[in-house]
Amino acid sequence: EPEVTQTPSHQVTQMGQEVILRCVPISNHLYFYWYRQILGQKVEFLVSFYNNEISEKSEIFDDQFSVERPDGSNFTLKIRSTKLEDSAMYFCASSNFGLAGGQYEQYFGPGTRLTVT
Amino acid sequence: QKEVEQDPGPLSVPEGAIVSLNCTYSNSAFQYFMWYRQYSRKGPELLMYTYSSGNKEDGRFTAQVDKSSKYISLFIRDSQPSDSATYLCAMEEDSSASKIIFGSGTRLSIRP
Repeated sequence: EPEVTQTPSHQVTQMGQEVILRCVPISNHLYFYWYRQILGQKVEFLVSFYNNEISEKSEIFDDQFSVERPDGSNFTLKIRSTKLEDSAMYFCASSNFGLAGGQYEQYFGPGTRLTVT
Repeated sequence: QKEVEQDPGPLSVPEGAIVSLNCTYSNSAFQYFMWYRQYSRKGPELLMYTYSSGNKEDGRFTAQVDKSSKYISLFIRDSQPSDSATYLCAMEEDSSASKIIFGSGTRLSIRP
């Protein structure tokens, strides 16, 4: 069964450093997303991406964040200068036009745990 | 008022029991309703995806949506220890690949 994959599973970085989180969405999906979950809190939307541009972003997704689809398979989230409060699980998700009724079910990857020290 | 409210639990039931999980919401623009299951330190796994009011059944799982009351439920029949996880309700305003708004999750434990 196709699945979303993410690397690395755990990333430790120092405050102020740049990190790139990588995702390989399901191969025939066209819509890509990043969410984050701070420990003990709810999953929060960061950004959606379609046709090589951002479709929607939340207030969390400020100038420190960027997304890119550098090739036909990868989707990346870059944090330019990490802060302590960026420590969280980051989930990539992908979707396509649904098989029934036009729904766009979003399928999530296993996540990257980012620890900023 | 929070957009999506979900009782965090924990909820502990014996194996074989029927489990009822619920969420309420305030945004009447929500049209698509989902339930995800999340094991500790793993990604959310889609269980059920429903549109509008009514019931949808898949095996031991039944999702129920009542848009007039802004209330959704997930029922698990014949619960198993492997069902122990956090269950997240989630909602979208439209089908054009929009953002999902999640509830805080209910932690469920099934006692053997």
